[in-house]
Amino acid sequence: AQSVTQPDIHITVSEGASLELRCNYSYGATPYLFWYVQSPGQGLQLLLKYFSGDTLVQGIKGFEAEFKRSQSSFNLRKPSVHWSDAAEYFCAVGFKAAGNKLTFGGGTRVLVKP
Amino acid sequence: DAGITQSPRHKVTETGTPVTLRCHQTENHRYMYWYRQDPGHGLRLIHYSYGVKDTDKGEVSDGYSVSRSKTEDFLLTLESATSSQTSVYFCAIQDRASSGNTIYFGEGSWLTVV
Repeated sequence: AQSVTQPDIHITVSEGASLELRCNYSYGATPYLFWYVQSPGQGLQLLLKYFSGDTLVQGIKGFEAEFKRSQSSFNLRKPSVHWSDAAEYFCAVGFKAAGNKLTFGGGTRVLVKP
Repeated sequence: DAGITQSPRHKVTETGTPVTLRCHQTENHRYMYWYRQDPGHGLRLIHYSYGVKDTDKGEVSDGYSVSRSKTEDFLLTLESATSSQTSVYFCAIQDRASSGNTIYFGEGSWLTVV
């Protein structure tokens, strides 16, 4: 069965600094890859997705992610963090052949220092 | 906004009582999902549906049943609630018109079993 690992449970970053969240998955085929963000008490909002083509994808709120097949990774980045980026971030993997049932990582909580 | 409405949004119930959560969608999506969210686990799939009366189990289906008698509604039932089912429950739909068959989530239902 596929699995998704987000190695960092918590990350603290200063406002204006860069941010990188790590995501690794295990599966033989090339998956669909997603990053979602969740603010406290809210649902999940889609930040960006990769399904084919250019391995560097741009998302909303200034986020981008890069798919590296050789490393089975899909890391999320933002050049300059804003206080409003404090939230929990989830990486997810899906496969068309499996009805796109998503497997999620455990999440990374981002704290932003003033 | 993927037109997903979950009800109730918050519920406290007693151990051993039945509970039904409702997911309603307005955009005629074929695939619908129920996930639960627990700290450290991200989201885990409980059940999913790929059409009216067509459902299948996810990775954490024990203690849950689902029904889909019409396209727009997907019901999740806890036949006899237990404290381990205290969680946040998210309904999701698959937008097959989007690239990568993107999954969109509802706002969540907070369930506490006392």
